[in-house]
Amino acid sequence: ELKVEQNPLFLSMQEGKNYTIYCNYSTTSDRLYWYRQDPGKSLESLFVLLSNGAVKQEGRLMASLDTKARLSTLHITAAVHDLSATYFCAVDSSGGSYIPTFGRGTSLIVHP
Amino acid sequence: DSGVTQTPKHLITATGQRVTLRCSPRSGDLSVYWYQQSLDQGLQFLIQYYNGEERAKGNILERFSAQQFPDLHSELNLSSLELGDSALYFCASSVLGYGGELFFGEGSRLTVL
Repeated sequence: ELKVEQNPLFLSMQEGKNYTIYCNYSTTSDRLYWYRQDPGKSLESLFVLLSNGAVKQEGRLMASLDTKARLSTLHITAAVHDLSATYFCAVDSSGGSYIPTFGRGTSLIVHP
Repeated sequence: DSGVTQTPKHLITATGQRVTLRCSPRSGDLSVYWYQQSLDQGLQFLIQYYNGEERAKGNILERFSAQQFPDLHSELNLSSLELGDSALYFCASSVLGYGGELFFGEGSRLTVL
């Protein structure tokens, strides 16, 4: 059974600082996704990573995928308050069904 | 706007009752996924349909059932409701039959009293 672990689960940071969120998964997969969820809202797709070494950047967020280490990172550069949200990684399980399995999410709060 | 429509947005009901949640996927998407989000369990996969057929099943209770209709909209039926069924239920659609980037509806928040 595929397990997806994110850390940290809670992150409080100051504006202007950098930080990295980690997503580890337990079985082979080369399909990983990052989503953002604002409080009480839906999930919005941020990044789609489909191969080893894939790197995607959008504004102050950069995501990467290392399929050999079964690890993805979401790096935040010079955080701003608008980035406050919960970030989820999801991995398509292999073995036929490819069901997107989500991590528990990282709740990010950016303080002025 | 993801293009995925879910109704109702909120519903409050009593234990033992039955409710139906409805989802219309993005135009062109054949896959519909249902997820349950609660504080203690996170996002749990319930069931997936692809072009009218059940494709995969997760930890869906026997009291819950779903179907996808020929027009590709899907319904999730929850019966004999218990307090623990209170959660946010999301529908998501995908162009792929197996996994892929998901586009989520706004969710249906169910409160069971």
